Amino acid sequence: AAGVIQSPRHLIKEKRETATLKCYPIPRHDTVYWYQQGPGQDPQFLISFYEKMQSDKGSIPDRFSAQQFSDYHSELNMSSLELGDSALYFCASSLQRRGADTQYFGPGTRLTVL
Amino acid sequence: LAKTTQPISMDSYEGQEVNITCSHNNIATNDYITWYQQFPSQGPRFIIQGYKTKVTNEVASLFIPADRKSSTLSLPRVSLSDTAVYYCLVGLNTGGFKTIFGAGTRLFVKA
Repeated sequence: AAGVIQSPRHLIKEKRETATLKCYPIPRHDTVYWYQQGPGQDPQFLISFYEKMQSDKGSIPDRFSAQQFSDYHSELNMSSLELGDSALYFCASSLQRRGADTQYFGPGTRLTVL
Repeated sequence: LAKTTQPISMDSYEGQEVNITCSHNNIATNDYITWYQQFPSQGPRFIIQGYKTKVTNEVASLFIPADRKSSTLSLPRVSLSDTAVYYCLVGLNTGGFKTIFGAGTRLFVKA
């Protein structure tokens, strides 16, 4: 079965650079979520999209932005990178069912900021 | 958003049954309860989901009492490969799509 695809799997950037992370959800899923997970921490919700429209925002810095395209893939754009942005970034997708959301996570992108 | 509370960590031995309880006192009427498993450096993986009473699948059982203010994930006969972090999430009925991962339970299975 098709799973959530994320690219790249690993990314190394310098401080103040920009980074773009991509997510390809499971076909026919209508919702995409982005999470950040620092070392030893629990996943932190960043932002979500439902049917290509931004739905909710969590603890996403103003330096980050995201969008979902007509083919349902999503991109997380990160600018003015800081050392503290080093983390695993997960994308998840789901098919919305009120109150019973089951999210399928991708393998993640490990971002290292030097 | 329904806040969840789980034990921070648990230890077990291979072959034992492990029960992890999650408290969610302000669960909403239409909310489901979902459990995820996460291995280091991997994305969380769906384990089981339920609304009330008992749900069982090939890997776990989920017990939900009548008041639904808590739930218990039961892992039968754990193995070393079940060492992971387990998260309990309560579905949202707010019209939005925001997920809050609480502090999960770090299960360590010993030989």
